[in-house]
Amino acid sequence: NAGVTQTPKFQVLKTGQSMTLQCAQDMNHEYMSWYRQDPGMGLRLIHYSVGAGITDQGEVPNGYNVSRSTTEDFPLRLLSAAPSQTSVYFCASCYSPGQGKGYTFGSGTRLTVV
Amino acid sequence: AQTVTQSQPEMSVQEAETVTLSCTYDTSESDYYLFWYKQPPSRQMILVIRQEAYKQQNATENRFSVNFQKAAKSFSLKISDSQLGDAAMYFCAYYSGGGADGLTFGKGTHLIIQP
Repeated sequence: NAGVTQTPKFQVLKTGQSMTLQCAQDMNHEYMSWYRQDPGMGLRLIHYSVGAGITDQGEVPNGYNVSRSTTEDFPLRLLSAAPSQTSVYFCASCYSPGQGKGYTFGSGTRLTVV
Repeated sequence: AQTVTQSQPEMSVQEAETVTLSCTYDTSESDYYLFWYKQPPSRQMILVIRQEAYKQQNATENRFSVNFQKAAKSFSLKISDSQLGDAAMYFCAYYSGGGADGLTFGKGTHLIIQP
C-alpha cells in the first residue's frame, strides 16, 4: 500500500544509546520531514529534506541527525539518547507542501528513553 | 518565525450540534497555506481541510468548513452535525515556502463529543 512507513512503532532506549528511526515512502515524494510530538506541545519540526542529498534543520534539531541518500528513505538518528528525547516521532512526505493533499504522515514511533 | 496559536485546549459539543475551533497565526508572508489535521486516539494524522491564502473563498469539505480571515490572521474550523467519530485532537498548521519546508503546528484542541 502506498504511504509513509515508520519503523519501529515502539522503542525503549537507555540513556546514551544510539538508534535510527526509519522512514520510507513509495509515492516518489521530494519533500520529507520529521516531527516530534510532546504532550501539550503539538508537533515540532526536527529536520526536513527537499530532495535526495538535501537536508536542513527545523525548530528542534539538537541531538538528531538525518541524511537523504535516496528519494524513498529519510532516517532519523539519535546519536546519544537523552530522557528529554522521550516523545512520539512522526515522519511525513509530500510532492509539494502547498499543493494537492499536502503532507502524508506515517503512523508514528513512540520512543521512551530511560 | 511563524507561530500558530490554538487558544482552546479542550472543547465539548453535543452530538449533532455545531462546534467551532479557533486558530490564529502570525506571519509576515503574503503567500502561505493553512491546514487542519485530526489526530484520533490511533495517533494517525489525518488532513481535514486546507486553505490557500490567495483564495478568498473559504474551503469546505462535507461537514467541515473554515472561516479564513486573512487580515485578522484567523483560521477557524467549523464542524457541523458533530458525530462521535469526530472526537479527536485537532491541530491547526501553517506552511509557507519562505521558511523551513515543513509545517508549523499549534498545540492542538481536544474535541469531546457528548452523546
